[in-house]
Amino acid sequence: DQQVKQNSPSLSVQEGRISILNCDYTNSMFDYFLWYKKYPAEGPTFLISISSIKDKNEDGRFTVFLNKSAKHLSLHIVPSQPGDSAVYFCAATLAFAGGTSYGKLTFGQGTILTVHP
Amino acid sequence: SQTIHQWPATLVQPVGSPLSLECTVEGTSNPNLYWYRQAAGRGLQLLFYSVGIGQISSEVPQNLSASRPQDRQFILSSKKLLLSDSGFYLCAWSVQGDLYTIYFGEGSWLTVV
Repeated sequence: DQQVKQNSPSLSVQEGRISILNCDYTNSMFDYFLWYKKYPAEGPTFLISISSIKDKNEDGRFTVFLNKSAKHLSLHIVPSQPGDSAVYFCAATLAFAGGTSYGKLTFGQGTILTVHP
Repeated sequence: SQTIHQWPATLVQPVGSPLSLECTVEGTSNPNLYWYRQAAGRGLQLLFYSVGIGQISSEVPQNLSASRPQDRQFILSSKKLLLSDSGFYLCAWSVQGDLYTIYFGEGSWLTVV
């Protein structure tokens, strides 16, 4: 049962434009969400996160939006750069549900972003 | 600064052979340690996590085991590999008290033939 889904396996964007990566989840208990970026032959690196008490978090060119009622989050990259080309994973966890979840992140399948010069 | 290393980077093993993937973290003490796997077409799946030496929790039933013989060392093992064990294995760590921002190693590609 895939509790976190990234339904677009790939996305192609022109340099300078906006990239929007989407993620849906089914477990309404998830309350903390993260995005990771992964280059070939490397492990994923943390990009940005958001807790369920917020609906938006910005960090430079990266903004994550959370729509709890729709169980949907998205990552916006503006402006997109060729160096942003990578696989992007969204992840979710139970951070504030009591007890500890010890990094039990549930990941989506990933979306390959290609930014063309 | 903290670094994480795992090896070997790639491995081709016959069915029924043993497995040992090793991971070490430097620059921090008492980290939480994790093993994840990414199988084809699926997201990263948590296999094991450890909050201290000798403390291992398994998330999914499988043909694999994990051990933490030292504070910053995490080992993924199997006595007899199956074809379905093929995949990309990632070791990761997080700071005690920060359970959600985890840092990954470079990963190990395992192909069971």
